[in-house]
Amino acid sequence: KQEVTQIPAALSVPEGENLVLNCSFTDSAIYNLQWFRQDPGKGLTSLLLIQSSQREQTSGRLNASLDKSSGRSTLYIAASQPGDSATYLCALASGGSYIPTFGRGTSLIVHP
Amino acid sequence: GAGVSQSPSNKVTEKGKDVELRCDPISGHTALYWYRQSLGQGLEFLIYFQGNSAPDKSGLPSDRFSAERTGGSVSTLTIQRTQQEDSAVYLCASSSPTELSYEQYFGPGTRLTVT
Repeated sequence: KQEVTQIPAALSVPEGENLVLNCSFTDSAIYNLQWFRQDPGKGLTSLLLIQSSQREQTSGRLNASLDKSSGRSTLYIAASQPGDSATYLCALASGGSYIPTFGRGTSLIVHP
Repeated sequence: GAGVSQSPSNKVTEKGKDVELRCDPISGHTALYWYRQSLGQGLEFLIYFQGNSAPDKSGLPSDRFSAERTGGSVSTLTIQRTQQEDSAVYLCASSSPTELSYEQYFGPGTRLTVT
């Protein structure tokens, strides 16, 4: 059974810092890995999706990497802004199932 | 185009009543998922529909929960005899296998409060 862990659970940084959010998983037979953002009281917004054959994806100030051999993915946020404050979740579809397993998320606060 | 929509956005009900939550997936998306997110908890998978295949109901927490998907599009999640522990945000997502990536798109959720 896939287990997904996100560290840290919470993070508070000053504006402008570059930061890394971590997602680790136990089953490397993944189909894809998706990073989401969730604002309070809202649904999930897809940020980046990495397919099994890919190593990384980039969108603007965001870069997500995937290392199946070590069971890790990282989400890098460059030059953080207060508007980046949200909970970030990673989710993996694996083991032949298209039902993703979600991590508990990292709650990020970027203060001015 | 239009994203995933859910209704109602908020629902307050008395313990013991039945509720129905609705999800309209993105047009053409054959895969549809229901999740539950309780306060301070992660996303809990409930049920998965893929085309005309039998749904994967492995995440439904009790027989009070059921879901259907009519015409391969709109889905309704029904909770019978609601309990206070059913209070949560219910999220729906859809994806398209034709995109190969199975990227999930989420709706805004329905916040259910059982009093």
